[in-house]
Amino acid sequence: EAQVTQNPRYLITVTGKKLTVTCSQNMNHEYMSWYRQDPGLGLRQIYYSMNVEVTDKGDVPEGYKVSRKEKRNFPLILESPSPNQTSLYFCASSRGRQRLGNTYEQFFGPGTRLTVL
Amino acid sequence: GNSVTQMEGPVTLSEEAFLTINCTYTATGYPSLFWYVQYPGEGLQLLLKATKADDKGSNKGFEATYRKETTSFHLEKGSVQVSDSAVYFCALTSSGGYNKLIFGAGTRLAVHP
Repeated sequence: EAQVTQNPRYLITVTGKKLTVTCSQNMNHEYMSWYRQDPGLGLRQIYYSMNVEVTDKGDVPEGYKVSRKEKRNFPLILESPSPNQTSLYFCASSRGRQRLGNTYEQFFGPGTRLTVL
Repeated sequence: GNSVTQMEGPVTLSEEAFLTINCTYTATGYPSLFWYVQYPGEGLQLLLKATKADDKGSNKGFEATYRKETTSFHLEKGSVQVSDSAVYFCALTSSGGYNKLIFGAGTRLAVHP
């Protein structure tokens, strides 16, 4: 089954304790990204990757890191989490780079609900 | 910059009622427009899309038409069911060659029997 998986699904942690949220897709997609969802704000992009070893900042990258060493995996790293990073996080992937008149569906993972105390 | 504005929820309807969720956008160039749906406890699923002006996206009885003149992409369904209860997100990607989705705030729909 084609899917995007995230782990863990739920996490409660304390300020300053490094954590990693994993994301994996089995569709051989080039493009992967991370979003956070906050009430009243919709989803906002944190980081994205166009391919292996190619990553770039989205709209809200502060406090986050990513890496793309393999095509299927795109972990999100919070080196020193703070309470304002309490949110619902989604990983997404799609086939390739969008071009004019040609869009690729983005597939979303089930989400990771993170609480930082 | 690019942005999406959706009507605030929650929207509460009785089963078989007509649904409209308004969405307007601001974007340069020729964005593609999307509606995503998020069922309770799940990730987002693509509901429908439109890639150019006057295109109509449709799926599962939902429809939306890309109106460039009014910069709108309103979601409609003629007869909602309880199973349609979810959060609906309007979104766009710019025509600049990147896949970033710009989302609206989301509209929660509750359908009662």
